[in-house]
Amino acid sequence: DQQVKQNSPSLSVQEGRISILNCDYTNSMFDYFLWYKKYPAEGPTFLISISSIKDKNEDGRFTVFLNKSAKHLSLHIVPSQPGDSAVYFCAASEDFGNEKLTFGTGTRLTIIP
Amino acid sequence: NAGVTQTPKFQVLKTGQSMTLQCAQDMNHNSMYWYRQDPGMGLRLIYYSASEGTTDKGEVPNGYNVSRLNKREFSLRLESAAPSQTSVYFCASRHYAGTGNTEAFFGQGTRLTVV
Repeated sequence: DQQVKQNSPSLSVQEGRISILNCDYTNSMFDYFLWYKKYPAEGPTFLISISSIKDKNEDGRFTVFLNKSAKHLSLHIVPSQPGDSAVYFCAASEDFGNEKLTFGTGTRLTIIP
Repeated sequence: NAGVTQTPKFQVLKTGQSMTLQCAQDMNHNSMYWYRQDPGMGLRLIYYSASEGTTDKGEVPNGYNVSRLNKREFSLRLESAAPSQTSVYFCASRHYAGTGNTEAFFGQGTRLTVV
């Protein structure tokens, strides 16, 4: 039972345009969400996060949006750069005593120069 | 500035052999995790540990054992390796103090092939 889903395995975007990566979840106990970026042969690195008390968090070119009623979050990258080409993982965490961190299946983003 | 260190980086095993993947973190984190990454499957949690001496099963624990030796170290053992355990394994750690709103830090991964 996949509690965190990334339905697009891959996405190609022109350099300079907006990249939008989507993530859906089923567990209503999730209340903290994270995005990770992964280059080949490296470990995932943290990118940006959002708490369930917010609906938007911004960090430079990266913005994460959370729609709790739809159990959906998205990562926007503007403008997209060639170095953004990587696999992006969405992750979710529950609060209050549950240490599990659940990841999605990932979306491979390719930025076309 | 090491963060999370995994050893070895690469390993080839024959079916039925055993091995232990080592992981150590120097950030004084209490929670540690083992994930495996397979094509199309994302990162799946094998085991995790909230503190020294405690471990819990994740999504895919079968065929693995873990040991939280101390606060720094969390090892993953394959007692009898199978080809289905061919994967890339990642160790991670994070500070968890009752609320889940912290990020995890990952090691570089161990690429394991079972033939």
